[in-house]
Amino acid sequence: NAGVTQTPKFRVLKTGQSMTLLCAQDMNHEYMYWYRQDPGMGLRLIHYSVGEGTTAKGEVPDGYNVSRLKKQNFLLGLESAAPSQTSVYFCASNIGLLRTGELFFGEGSRLTVL
Amino acid sequence: LAKTTQPISMDSYEGQEVNITCSHNNIATNDYITWYQQFPSQGPRFIIQGYKTKVTNEVASLFIPADRKSSTLSLPRVSLSDTAVYYCLVGDSNYQLIWGAGTKLIIKP
Repeated sequence: NAGVTQTPKFRVLKTGQSMTLLCAQDMNHEYMYWYRQDPGMGLRLIHYSVGEGTTAKGEVPDGYNVSRLKKQNFLLGLESAAPSQTSVYFCASNIGLLRTGELFFGEGSRLTVL
Repeated sequence: LAKTTQPISMDSYEGQEVNITCSHNNIATNDYITWYQQFPSQGPRFIIQGYKTKVTNEVASLFIPADRKSSTLSLPRVSLSDTAVYYCLVGDSNYQLIWGAGTKLIIKP
């Protein structure tokens, strides 16, 4: 039982390049989230999903797109990376029975945009 | 929109009890209040959750007054390994999850 797995763990991009971060969970959770965390700061919600085929915007969605084609996977895409998107990205999942129920986080994906 | 306030940092010594308070207004009436711990280069980890009064588990206690405008995480007899950032998480009436800014706790020997 791996929990929440994020790939890749590290990536360096040039401005304007695109990439996709993959989040996979094996707990059959309904809710999944993508957060970003800048150095010394708290978590900011980018996008989230309350079930397969659904997505919704969070606090800081601009410059990102997401897809939840399968219940276990939540993809975060950057179409044209910018230096302001340099951050650590965390995926989380929640069983969905309780909105503020326990969130399970991945180890994070550290992205640097030059 | 709900708003949370936590102290930015706290220091304590090994063996002491540490209390971290999060103030939160306009939170949803039906949601629980949750606390997380985060070590450097790791994702946050669930510590404890409660709705009202006091909840205790093997690592912490959580005190929530009747008006639910604050919550206090209590860590008994801390050790060096408790040095981390602690976040409160609440839900607001607009169905948004609101994270606190985090309290950096440093435990000294």
